[in-house]
Order: sequence, then C-alpha cells, then structure tokens
Amino acid sequence: DQQVKQNSPSLSVQEGRISILNCDYTNSMFDYFLWYKKYPAEGPTFLISISSIKDKNEDGRFTVFLNKSAKHLSLHIVPSQPGDSAVYFCAASSKGGSEKLVFGKGTKLTVNP
Amino acid sequence: NAGVMQNPRHLVRRRGQEARLRCSPMKGHSHVYWYRQLPEEGLKFMVYLQKENIIDESGMPKERFSAEFPKEGPSILRIQQVVRGDSAAYFCASSPDRELHSGNTIYFGEGSWLTVV
Repeated sequence: DQQVKQNSPSLSVQEGRISILNCDYTNSMFDYFLWYKKYPAEGPTFLISISSIKDKNEDGRFTVFLNKSAKHLSLHIVPSQPGDSAVYFCAASSKGGSEKLVFGKGTKLTVNP
Repeated sequence: NAGVMQNPRHLVRRRGQEARLRCSPMKGHSHVYWYRQLPEEGLKFMVYLQKENIIDESGMPKERFSAEFPKEGPSILRIQQVVRGDSAAYFCASSPDRELHSGNTIYFGEGSWLTVV
C-alpha cells in the first residue's frame, strides 16, 4: 500500500510562474515531512522539511505547506526557473519509526523558458 | 548529497554472482541508511545501521541481502546470487547523531546502479 502518494507524475510550468507539487499521505503517525529533488543518474538532494507542529516552512523560493487534517502537503516554488526541472520526491517519517523515510513515486517538473 | 560517497557508481553482474556496494557516510555522521529505487518507482527503505549495529532491517529481502557498518570502514550492502529483479539504483544516505525529528536531515549519496545480465 502506498502510504505517501504523489498523484501527478508530471507537471509543466512556465519560467517565472509558480510550481505547486502535491503530496498526500495516509499514515496518521507521520509527523515529519521532507522534499527531495533528483536529477537523472544522481542521488536525491534535500530541499526543505516540515515538522507536524508547523503548517508552513519557507526557505528562499521554496515553501512547504502542511494540512494535517487533510493529510496533505504541498511544495511551492516561486518563481520557477529552468534549473528547477527535475523529479521531486515527497518523503515522510514517524517518530519511533527508526528514522526511515517513506517516499512517494515522485513528480517530474519541467520548467519551460 | 555532497559528502556521502558510494562506489561503484555502476556495476554489472551476471545472474548468480555477488554484488557488493560500498558507502562512506558524511564526516561526523554515524547513521547509515540504504534505499533501493526500481524503475519508475520511488525510493524504498531497506536497512538502517549505526556503527556495528543493525537498527532496522524491515525493508531488506529475507534472503540473499545483507548489510553491515563495521567499526572501521564503509558500510557494505551485499547481494548474493543476484537475479535480474535486483537490477536497480541503490542509494546510501547518512545523518548525524541527532534524531531526525529534531531538525536533522538525511543526506543521500549519488547512488550505485546495479545491472544484472
């Protein structure tokens, strides 16, 4: 069963616009969430994280929003740049879950110049 | 992912051979994780180790797969008698001593791509 779901396999946006990547989860024990960016043939690169005690975390052009009641989080990138084109993975962890991360299948973002 | 070193980056093995993947964590990190990514899938947790201890191996296949993180040297993921279905990207990650939920982050290496022919 897929505990972390990224229902959009791909997303295409224009340079300068906002990119919104979505993630849903089913396990109510998850309390820490991370977003990773991945280029082909490379490892995932950490972008931003959020604890369940918060509903928003911002770092430069990246903002993550968490809606615990809906078990939904989203990553906003604004303004989007062509270099942001990559696969974005949402991951979740639960305290007492030995720190292991549960990943979604990823969303491929393409930012068009 | 700077600092987590994995080798080899690419490995080709024939069915029935053994594959050994190595991982050196970032400096100052004592927690190591192995993840596997099959084509068109997300990363799947395999095992979590600290020095000389396996903390959680709930994601490891019951047979043919083993992992270690000795007191000295890199962490090793070992796959015996490889089969075609073992072809995947294997990612190692590391984190410092602090708990993930205290603001800690897991950093990934570049990955090792195993191809079984």
